[in-house]
Amino acid sequence: DAGVTQSPTHLIKTRGQHVTLRCSPISGHKSVSWYQQVLGQGPQFIFQYYEKEERGRGNFPDRFSARQFPNYSSELNVNALLLGDSALYLCASSVGLAGEQFFGPGTRLTVL
Amino acid sequence: AQSVTQPDIHITVSEGASLELRCNYSYGATPYLFWYVQSPGQGLQLLLKYFSGDTLVQGIKGFEAEFKRSQSSFNLRKPSVHWSDAAEYFCAVGATLSRSARQLTFGSGTQLTVLP
Repeated sequence: DAGVTQSPTHLIKTRGQHVTLRCSPISGHKSVSWYQQVLGQGPQFIFQYYEKEERGRGNFPDRFSARQFPNYSSELNVNALLLGDSALYLCASSVGLAGEQFFGPGTRLTVL
Repeated sequence: AQSVTQPDIHITVSEGASLELRCNYSYGATPYLFWYVQSPGQGLQLLLKYFSGDTLVQGIKGFEAEFKRSQSSFNLRKPSVHWSDAAEYFCAVGATLSRSARQLTFGSGTQLTVLP
């Protein structure tokens, strides 16, 4: 079975631009979570979605938004990019809200 | 708010030697605890998890961890390290948010180097 997939693998943007990152969960998984991992640090929770509804949000500014589609895939959007948004963005899926989270390989975002 | 501390930023061991990675957590309720491993450029792979019951949990690749409530610790161990174990290791606590959402809070990681 395919694991969690994320696209694109790498992305380079400039300050002020907007970016959309995509995630496809494992088949049968209805929950998707997003994490930001800055170089040298552990991942930080951004959002959790379940059945297309936002169910949890971390301490991130409103420039960060997300949505989940009927097929349970998800997009993470970041507006007005800052240099500090450069990070590895990880998506994780789980069967339900509290199930084990399986992580994708991540999208490496570089903001210049 | 929950937090995780991994006191060792970098550990170096020789192949075949034993390994212990330290993890301390802070959480007001019964914790759900995890250890993940991350190889360069890769996502996170779950090594093991503790939800309840036996405080010594076995994971993949020969790893085990012991939950000690009195010390708020969840240390990861392996009796004999292999060169392929070189990676970064993250301890995490799973907190339940409102509406039953589950947030993982990670430590800052321990980088493991294995000498031949």
